[in-house]
Amino acid sequence: EAGVAQSPRYKIIEKRQSVAFWCNPISGHATLYWYQQILGQGPKLLIQFQNNGVVDDSQLPKDRFSAERLKGVDSTLKIQPAKLEDSAVYLCASSLGAGGRYEQYFGPGTRLTVT
Amino acid sequence: QKEVEQNSGPLSVPEGAIASLNCTYSDRGSQSFFWYRQYSGKSPELIMSIYSNGDKEDGRFTAQLNKASQYVSLLIRDSQPSDSATYLCAVRGYSTLTFGKGTMLLVSP
Repeated sequence: EAGVAQSPRYKIIEKRQSVAFWCNPISGHATLYWYQQILGQGPKLLIQFQNNGVVDDSQLPKDRFSAERLKGVDSTLKIQPAKLEDSAVYLCASSLGAGGRYEQYFGPGTRLTVT
Repeated sequence: QKEVEQNSGPLSVPEGAIASLNCTYSDRGSQSFFWYRQYSGKSPELIMSIYSNGDKEDGRFTAQLNKASQYVSLLIRDSQPSDSATYLCAVRGYSTLTFGKGTMLLVSP
């Protein structure tokens, strides 16, 4: 079974530029998550989708971050404009369902460097 | 604010020893508990999940949960140098998974 796919794996941009990340979850997984992991920290949830609806985006900086999951499969996370503090690894994860005992599986991540 | 606390380490153990990793959480309503292993430069990998008080064993790994004390731990028996990684504790209440900062484990040959 294929795992969670993400691209690109690495991205370097200058501050105030825009960037987009793509995620394809494990086949059949209804729930998709985007996390931000800053060096030395645990992953922080940015947004959670159930199919193509948003379940939780309380920690998403909505003035600069946006995400969508069209057709309930692939998802895109965008940052515009980027700030230096956005330098982090952006992790996508998926699970069969939301909450309870559903286990989340992570993709390889995208390492973003903002200069 | 739901919090998950872990000692950042590093926890250093010799090869063959038992490594004990600990985690406390603030939300008494938490129902599901997970341990992830993260190698440097890699993404988190799920290694254990536990939902009921007591112990759950899987190979060299044992997860322990005490909801009354709001405490969850991971024991790694016969530690190997390949176990050297950061171990993340994650706790879920209703839906959202909250991660600790992780404990770095170093296993020396």
